[in-house]
Amino acid sequence: KQEVTQIPAALSVPEGENLVLNCSFTDSAIYNLQWFRQDPGKGLTSLLLIQSSQREQTSGRLNASLDKSSGRSTLYIAASQPGDSATYLCAAPFSGGYNKLIFGAGTRLAVHP
Amino acid sequence: DAGVIQSPRHEVTEMGQEVTLRCKPISGHDYLFWYRQTMMRGLELLIYFNNNVPIDDSGMPEDRFSAKMPNASFSTLKIQPSEPRDSAVYFCASSLGGKMAYEQYFGPGTRLTVT
Repeated sequence: KQEVTQIPAALSVPEGENLVLNCSFTDSAIYNLQWFRQDPGKGLTSLLLIQSSQREQTSGRLNASLDKSSGRSTLYIAASQPGDSATYLCAAPFSGGYNKLIFGAGTRLAVHP
Repeated sequence: DAGVIQSPRHEVTEMGQEVTLRCKPISGHDYLFWYRQTMMRGLELLIYFNNNVPIDDSGMPEDRFSAKMPNASFSTLKIQPSEPRDSAVYFCASSLGGKMAYEQYFGPGTRLTVT
């Protein structure tokens, strides 16, 4: 079964800390991996997309890596801020088509001042 | 661009009634996706379209659910008849198409409550 798992389910950190969110997937034949952010009561915002041929992508304080052989991706957030508080979801399309995303359950992040 | 637009934002209806959710994708995007999000099951893909044609509807839970895309700028998701277990947030998303995957852009969602 194709699954995406995110650990931890929730994380609370003090402002300024560097942190890592983990995402694992059961099938190494993924086409790409995407990280999203969801604020309470809102839709999803795409943060980073890593194509299967890439190993990482960076945007500002965010860096996402992809290791297909181990079935893992990590989202690194540098110098966390209270505004980073949200739920972070990773998603990957498996062999069913590169647009058919399977989502993890998300990691709920709280950054406190 | 205004982004993906969904209406209504909130819908409360009684069991047995017909519900129609609407979506306007980002102009120029070839793909349109309908998702459902619940606490129990997370975010699930229901159906997606490419150039207005349904490509994969394997996520549609039952025959009570149907989706259409009559043109490139409009899609509907209809539930008839609705049931309390259909209560969820329904998202529409769109993306560009091609030989590689592109980022999906999500709308704000429609929160459906069936009583």
